[in-house]
Amino acid sequence: DAKTTQPNSMESNEEEPVHLPCNHSTISGTDYIHWYRQLPSQGPEYVIHGLTSNVNNRMASLAIAEDRKSSTLILHRATLRDAAVYYCILTTPQTGANNLFFGTGTRLTVIP
Amino acid sequence: ETGVTQTPRHLVMGMTNKKSLKCEQHLGHNAMYWYKQSAKKPLELMFVYSLEERVENNSVPSRFSPECPNSSHLFLHLHTLQPEDSALYLCASSQGGGAPYEQYFGPGTRLTVT
Repeated sequence: DAKTTQPNSMESNEEEPVHLPCNHSTISGTDYIHWYRQLPSQGPEYVIHGLTSNVNNRMASLAIAEDRKSSTLILHRATLRDAAVYYCILTTPQTGANNLFFGTGTRLTVIP
Repeated sequence: ETGVTQTPRHLVMGMTNKKSLKCEQHLGHNAMYWYKQSAKKPLELMFVYSLEERVENNSVPSRFSPECPNSSHLFLHLHTLQPEDSALYLCASSQGGGAPYEQYFGPGTRLTVT
């Protein structure tokens, strides 16, 4: 499985935008870029995913580099509830299921 | 409410006990997953079921035995565990493969082996 590299931790002030980077230089043409987050004492939750084009949803935006070797998750206005570990994961859809292989992620601290 | 429930939420068991973890999804999905999250380690994928058939066993010791009787239920049977098996066990579900469907996770079962 292709590997991703993320900073161990980041800090952001409340109500400011946050840009969480992810490097995936060995990404293959069929790999999707997924982002999940895990809030304290909870299971992970899906945030967003994309293949080549930038994506927006109600939670965040995903900016994908033109060569697809890196991506950035953008939280437009960080709130205290966004404090979590954010995981960038590459997946290749399979006929049976879509396996996720988690790394260590980025721990985001939001400062009031 | 995530649509994926797990019971029990907490479990303490001795090394000679036999216990089972239960996962139920109410989302109409046909793929289910077990993950293990140990302290200070990334989540590890353990087992994957698709349409009630096991499609992946990620080198998990035989003291962990999964069972998927139907597409809504997933069990993890535990026997003769070791203290290092203490962890958070997470269940997830998704629609079938062939597309990058997101996984929905349950809250987990916190297992302590004494």
